[in-house]
Amino acid sequence: ELKVEQNPLFLSMQEGKNYTIYCNYSTTSDRLYWYRQDPGKSLESLFVLLSNGAVKQEGRLMASLDTKARLSTLHITAAVHDLSATYFCAVDVHQGAQKLVFGQGTRLTINP
Amino acid sequence: DTEVTQTPKHLVMGMTNKKSLKCEQHMGHRAMYWYKQKAKKPPELMFVYSYEKLSINESVPSRFSPECPNSSLLNLHLHALQPEDSALYLCASRLRQGDQPQHFGDGTRLSIL
Repeated sequence: ELKVEQNPLFLSMQEGKNYTIYCNYSTTSDRLYWYRQDPGKSLESLFVLLSNGAVKQEGRLMASLDTKARLSTLHITAAVHDLSATYFCAVDVHQGAQKLVFGQGTRLTINP
Repeated sequence: DTEVTQTPKHLVMGMTNKKSLKCEQHMGHRAMYWYKQKAKKPPELMFVYSYEKLSINESVPSRFSPECPNSSLLNLHLHALQPEDSALYLCASRLRQGDQPQHFGDGTRLSIL
């Protein structure tokens, strides 16, 4: 059974600081996705990582994928309050059809 | 605003009621999904439809009955639900089974009395 584990699950940080969220998964996959969810809202797609060594950046967020280590990271640079949200990584697996398996989520709070 | 539209946004029903959740997309996506999300938890996959055929049923109780009448529409029929079924129900779609991300609707918040 595929397991997707995020670390940390809770993160409280100050504006202007840098931090990294880690996503480990237990089986071979070369498709990994990062989503953002604000409280009471839907999931917003942030990044699609499709191959080993893939790196994507959008504003203060940068995501990377190491398929050999089965590890993805989401790096936050110079955090601002607007980035406060829950961040999920999800791995694509094929079990009859393709489906996403989500990590537990990292609840990020950025304090002024 | 999302390109996947779910109705209703909120639903309160008794355990003996029958109701339906509706999901619509007009992006030409051929894979559609139902998820259940409890507070502070990740979404849990319930059903996957691919080209209007049920591809995955994650051992969901029969009181939840999915239906895909056409490529743009996905329904979830509810009957005799339990209080523990109270949750946010999310619909998602994807262009096809491939590399693209899933696009999520805003969800229906369901409360079972």
